[in-house]
Amino acid sequence: GAGVSQSPRYKVAKRGQDVALRCDPISGHVSLFWYQQALGQGPEFLTYFQNEAQLDKSGLPSDRFFAERPEGSVSTLKIQRTQQEDSAVYLCASSPGQGAFYGYTFGSGTRLTVV
Amino acid sequence: DAKTTQPNSMESNEEEPVHLPCNHSTISGTDYIHWYRQLPSQGPEYVIHGLTSNVNNRMASLAIAEDRKSSTLILHRATLRDAAVYYCIKYNNNDMRFGAGTRLTVKP
Repeated sequence: GAGVSQSPRYKVAKRGQDVALRCDPISGHVSLFWYQQALGQGPEFLTYFQNEAQLDKSGLPSDRFFAERPEGSVSTLKIQRTQQEDSAVYLCASSPGQGAFYGYTFGSGTRLTVV
Repeated sequence: DAKTTQPNSMESNEEEPVHLPCNHSTISGTDYIHWYRQLPSQGPEYVIHGLTSNVNNRMASLAIAEDRKSSTLILHRATLRDAAVYYCIKYNNNDMRFGAGTRLTVKP
């Protein structure tokens, strides 16, 4: 497609439930990023992939968070045993390559609400 | 390393120019300056980026101070659709960290 697609658009989970959030980047984009955005704040970096390799996961807040991109295209962010503090918008972005010359294209995000 | 510093909010009148300032005093020689904006219920949108020289594109202009410790995003004629949160970011090697940004309100 023309842009970065994220699904579902909204997700309500009961506390303790596992969730999986999907990101379809722009075709051919090498780099893929996940961000978490709490209400009223800027996006916070979670993790970064170059093709299928996860090169930086320093932003993942706990070992309940796991991301994968097994074939270097679609990525999934999984959150196990969700907690209320996980409620946020999860944003995915992709970029054609590495380096400072490419802008990121973001999806519209998945809004996760943990009740 | 420290994120950039921006005013929390700014107001502008429609069809007037807007100058959005950003301080990045800890910038290194290889850091680029990127600007993104985020409209309500959307992901951030790339606006412009630069390294040392001033840059222009169809959306905006970026003026970078000679010492690179600050920059200004210029919207030449604000429209109501420009109302958004604007983020100024030091970017280097796939490391893009957002601050709180500046919320721009455009008054008709």
